[in-house]
Amino acid sequence: QKEVEQNSGPLSVPEGAIASLNCTYSDRVSQSFFWYRQYSGKSPELIMSIYSNGDKEDGRFTAQLNKASQYVSLLIRDSQPSDSATYLCASKGGNEKLTFGTGTRLTIIP
Amino acid sequence: GAVVSQHPSWVICKSGTSVKIECRSLDFQATTMFWYRQFPKQSLMLMATSNEGSKATYEQGVEKDKFLINHASLTLSTLTVTSAHPEDSSFYICSARASGRANEQFFGPGTRLTVL
Repeated sequence: QKEVEQNSGPLSVPEGAIASLNCTYSDRVSQSFFWYRQYSGKSPELIMSIYSNGDKEDGRFTAQLNKASQYVSLLIRDSQPSDSATYLCASKGGNEKLTFGTGTRLTIIP
Repeated sequence: GAVVSQHPSWVICKSGTSVKIECRSLDFQATTMFWYRQFPKQSLMLMATSNEGSKATYEQGVEKDKFLINHASLTLSTLTVTSAHPEDSSFYICSARASGRANEQFFGPGTRLTVL
């Protein structure tokens, strides 16, 4: 069983709309969660980190964490074509290693 | 701040040769560096964790004699792919964790290795 699961997509969202990306994790020991954006041929770039239950907002991005449901999400408001990328969800457990999901490919349609 | 560089950015080599990839933290000291491999349309897979001054810890299924890791200083780790074969062709990415910033890993730009 994969430790971090994401819908691979592709997810298509009209420009200006809200993009919603979801992730579930299986390891209850995980305490830290991260969303990375990866453009094709490039390395991942950290978008958001979240450690506590609830919402965390940073500009157009909002991360949501529900530890009881083992669920993490990322909302992108006012989606822009430049947001088109693969979004990787990652968890960090007690061993300090990051475990990545397979990523969700997001396409923003102008 | 927190910039990580990798060199080379891409390399093409013949089967059987060895390739060395460098990962440097440019503006911070990295007590721990991580090496990942990513095949097309797949996620990042951790290969090994490298701590300065000690032997690297390899993930299950990763051959330590084939993927040699050296973390000789707080700003440099190297990955050497020995006797490379076409199946080793992949995108190799390092990340570094700074002292006192345990929750953050900063990724290098990656090295694309093609073995002919």
